[in-house]
Amino acid sequence: GENVEQHPSTLSVQEGDSAVIKCTYSDSASNYFPWYKQELGKRPQLIIDIRSNVGEKKDQRIAVTLNKTAKHFSLHITETQPEDSAVYFCAAIGQAGTALIFGKGTTLSVSS
Amino acid sequence: EPEVTQTPSHQVTQMGQEVILRCVPISNHLYFYWYRQILGQKVEFLVSFYNNEISEKSEIFDDQFSVERPDGSNFTLKIRSTKLEDSAMYFCASSEVRAGVAGELFFGEGSRLTVL
Repeated sequence: GENVEQHPSTLSVQEGDSAVIKCTYSDSASNYFPWYKQELGKRPQLIIDIRSNVGEKKDQRIAVTLNKTAKHFSLHITETQPEDSAVYFCAAIGQAGTALIFGKGTTLSVSS
Repeated sequence: EPEVTQTPSHQVTQMGQEVILRCVPISNHLYFYWYRQILGQKVEFLVSFYNNEISEKSEIFDDQFSVERPDGSNFTLKIRSTKLEDSAMYFCASSEVRAGVAGELFFGEGSRLTVL
């Protein structure tokens, strides 16, 4: 089945710095790659996603890049703020195409 | 804004007992999911459900687990005989379209299960 690897597991940055989180996936048929943010004690929520027919997508301070050949995709957060502190999960489509398989998560800490 | 609701928010049970976790997906959504998250770990896929049948399930979803949509609104996860390792946060999610065609998953607040 689909296997999603995510790193780093923890990331600490100073406010205003950029943060990059990387994921790799195993199933070359995967065509949809979302990123979810989970604040402490809360539910995961979608922050950005990308489909396989594009290489990059931006939404204000957040961007996602995709390299289908290498089977990896990355989340970029610029001008980080303390409220960006959370756990970020990447995901890819499972083998049967009906469910998202998540990476292990990256705990991002932004200190002011 | 419509959201996925889950009950109970927290359940404590004895090992070996049956537990039913309930979810009300967003009303126009057709695809339903259960995930679990052991404290501090990743969100693990359990099962997806569409058109009153299981679409996909993971290795975790063994014979101890079952899902049901008993009426037009509820979606339930039953654990037949709970084990200590079933202690986790269980998230229900729903989507308007299949996840494989870029359907955003909307998660509920979760049901925390503690097995003693």
